Order: sequence, then C-alpha cells, then structure tokens
Amino acid sequence: EIVLTQSPGTLSLSPGERATLSCRASQSVSSSFLAWYQQKPGQAPRLLIYGASNRATAIPDRFSGSGSETDFTLTISRLEPEDFALYFCQQYATSPWTFGQGTKVEIK
Amino acid sequence: EVHLLESGGGLVQPGGTLRLSCAASGFTFSGYTMSWVRQAPGKGLEWVSSSSGSGVVTHYADSVKGRFTISRDNSKDTLFLQMDNLRAEDMAIYYCAKEAIPFLESYFDYWGQGTLVTVSS
Repeated sequence: EIVLTQSPGTLSLSPGERATLSCRASQSVSSSFLAWYQQKPGQAPRLLIYGASNRATAIPDRFSGSGSETDFTLTISRLEPEDFALYFCQQYATSPWTFGQGTKVEIK
Repeated sequence: EVHLLESGGGLVQPGGTLRLSCAASGFTFSGYTMSWVRQAPGKGLEWVSSSSGSGVVTHYADSVKGRFTISRDNSKDTLFLQMDNLRAEDMAIYYCAKEAIPFLESYFDYWGQGTLVTVSS
C-alpha cells in the first residue's frame, strides 16, 4: 500500500501567516489522485482539495494545493482564526485508500 | 443538501458484534460508492471498507477482512457495516463517507458526523 508521510507534525503559526504542509508518498500517486481534508475537534473531516490542486466547493482561495508523483503541498496563504485545525492528505490512486497521519496547525 | 447520519455505535465486549447504519439523503444513493472510514481516539484516519453503488463490488482493509461486512439497501438509501469478532484495536469513531464521482472510486466529498464504537470488557 502507499504510505503517506505528512510533515511537520505540528505547525505553530500566527493568524495572517502562511502555512505550508507537506505530504510525501512512498510511491508515485498516479494522476495526482491526492486529496486534502481539514478536521476540527469533534467534527468530521471536510474536503478541501482534490486532484492535488482543485479546490472543493466553497473552499476559500487562500487554500491551494500543488505537487505530483510523490511530493504534495497544501498552502494556506494567510491563516484565518478558523483555519487552526488538523489537516490530512489522502491518496485515492491505488487501493487501499490511505491517509497521512496529519499535521496540526496551531496558534503560536 | 447531502446528509449522512450514522447510528449503531456503542459499547461491546471483545469478540462481540455490532451493526452500524448510515442513512443518506440529498443525492442519488445508488449512483455512488460509499465507504466507512474510522478514527481511533487521538489518531489519524483509516479507510475500512467500500461498496460500489450497486453493492456488487466491495473492498476491505486487511485489518478487518473476514470480520467486517459492508452492505447497502438502495431502496432505503442506507449503508451498513456488520462488525463481528470485534477487537480492542477496532475501537474508533466510524464515519460514513460518500465518494465524489458517480460510479467511480475517488475522494470523499461528504462525511457523516460519525458513531463511536467502544470495545472493552
């Protein structure tokens, strides 16, 4: 199975700063079938990005995704208070679908 | 508006059985692959099982293969997960998730709020 490794484990930043989250795959993720989700405490995950770089419906344009093959990035251009949360990447190219272990973006 | 509502979680002893349900609304249920994804307390997400729109094609994670059975009733827009021989490591919040693209396996565009399964003696 494809193992996804996210880094860093925790990102401590202030509102207004830029966040850069990494997701590295153990083998190439074909067709950039990679998604990003946001999860807040006590809530279900919410889709942010699919196909590595496509924003989901109603996702603000401060969220952007990039990358291909084994290296992917989620960037939040200017952090808003509501963006402090847990973020997961997921590949859906090869069964079984797998998730990264998550990056927590916390307020510095 | 898409809505997914899980039920059926609870406390069960090791070796016990539980059946989860997920009631769907707001979309053509039979046209979409549906999955169960779980999250152990304080941990990450783990895909558990998926069912094609017709229910004919199913997939399981190795960790649950032979113990869990996914099924669906398209006449009632409901997804099920039959969990047998439960283990401590199955303890988690179980989410029902809808895959985004009709008739294809893909990413998850909608998730339910989850139901908690606790395995303990």
